[in-house]
Amino acid sequence: KAGVTQTPRYLIKTRGQQVTLSCSPISGHRSVSWYQQTPGQGLQFLFEYFSETQRNKGNFPGRFSGRQFSNSRSEMNVSTLELGDSALYLCASSLVPSGGAGQFFGPGTRLTVL
Amino acid sequence: LAKTTQPISMDSYEGQEVNITCSHNNIATNDYITWYQQFPSQGPRFIIQGYKTKVTNEVASLFIPADRKSSTLSLPRVSLSDTAVYYCLVGDSGGGADGLTFGKGTHLIIQP
Repeated sequence: KAGVTQTPRYLIKTRGQQVTLSCSPISGHRSVSWYQQTPGQGLQFLFEYFSETQRNKGNFPGRFSGRQFSNSRSEMNVSTLELGDSALYLCASSLVPSGGAGQFFGPGTRLTVL
Repeated sequence: LAKTTQPISMDSYEGQEVNITCSHNNIATNDYITWYQQFPSQGPRFIIQGYKTKVTNEVASLFIPADRKSSTLSLPRVSLSDTAVYYCLVGDSGGGADGLTFGKGTHLIIQP
């Protein structure tokens, strides 16, 4: 069974631009969560989707948004990029919401904002 | 809010058993305890999950006392490749952003 895939793996943007990241969960998994990881703040939860509905949202500004499609694939969007948005963005999928059955992470997308 | 507390770092040697303890004093009835391993520039990897008592799989054991206010991840006979950051996560399937909170993790360094 294929694991969680994320595209693109690396991305370079400039301040003010917007970016869309994609995540394909493990087949059969309906829950997708997004995290931001930086050296200073560690792993921080962004949001979680289950059956196309946002279930939970972390403490991030409205510039960060996401959605989930009927095939469980998910995208996250960051608008008006800031330097501080440079991070590793991780997607995780699980059978049930909130990691009750354990979350499986993708390799991440490394975003660099110049 | 089921916040977790782990040691920032630990050192050990190849072939030793390593035990990493996580405190979660405010764990809720519906919360599971899950441990992840992360190597640099990679996503965390699920290691083990438990609710109470002891769980064992091919890579680790998880010990949870009756009060569930802490848990201990046990790695038998570690090798250099076990050098990584280990995260303890407490959460349930009932929703709530707090249930998806990762702590700072424990940086485990294995020496030859």
